[in-house]
Amino acid sequence: AQSVAQPEDQVNVAEGNPLTVKCTYSVSGNPYLFWYVQYPNRGLQFLLKYITGDNLVKGSYGFEAEFNKSQTSFHLKKPSALVSDSALYFCAVKGNTGFQKLVFGTGTRLLVSP
Amino acid sequence: EAGVAQSPRYKIIEKRQSVAFWCNPISGHATLYWYQQILGQGPKLLIQFQNNGVVDDSQLPKDRFSAERLKGVDSTLKIQPAKLEDSAVYLCASDPAGLAGEQYFGPGTRLTVT
Repeated sequence: AQSVAQPEDQVNVAEGNPLTVKCTYSVSGNPYLFWYVQYPNRGLQFLLKYITGDNLVKGSYGFEAEFNKSQTSFHLKKPSALVSDSALYFCAVKGNTGFQKLVFGTGTRLLVSP
Repeated sequence: EAGVAQSPRYKIIEKRQSVAFWCNPISGHATLYWYQQILGQGPKLLIQFQNNGVVDDSQLPKDRFSAERLKGVDSTLKIQPAKLEDSAVYLCASDPAGLAGEQYFGPGTRLTVT
């Protein structure tokens, strides 16, 4: 069965600094990997995904993520954080063989201070 | 295009009462999902529909939860009778039935069981 680990409950970063939100996964077969963001009292919004191809994936709002197969990681990054990036971030994974449900991590709260 | 619609946004009920949630997916999306998101956790899949057929309901507590998707469009999720541990946000999502596609989430219904 697939699983996702987000080891940090919260990440604090100053505005203008780079940010990284960590994610590691376990899945049968090759992974489809996703990042979603959740603002208060709202549903999840899709940020980016890795299906195949380049290990560096670019997404919405200047975010990117790097797929590392050997480390089974898919860390979310942004070169320069904004206060408005403060939100809850979820990593999710599903396998690419047969029927596999999308499994989410527990989420990481990103707090960007002015 | 219009997003995934859900109602009500908030609901407070007493334990042992019943409650129903409604979801209208994005037009043309064949796959519909219901997730349960307990505070501090990532969303957990309850049930997945492909058109009006159930693909996966392995994590749906069938003794008290039921869901239907008539005519392959709107869906309702019902809880009867509710327990305190059912307090959560119930998220509906849809996608156009691609294995590698991202899901589009509604704003969710926050249920409080007292």
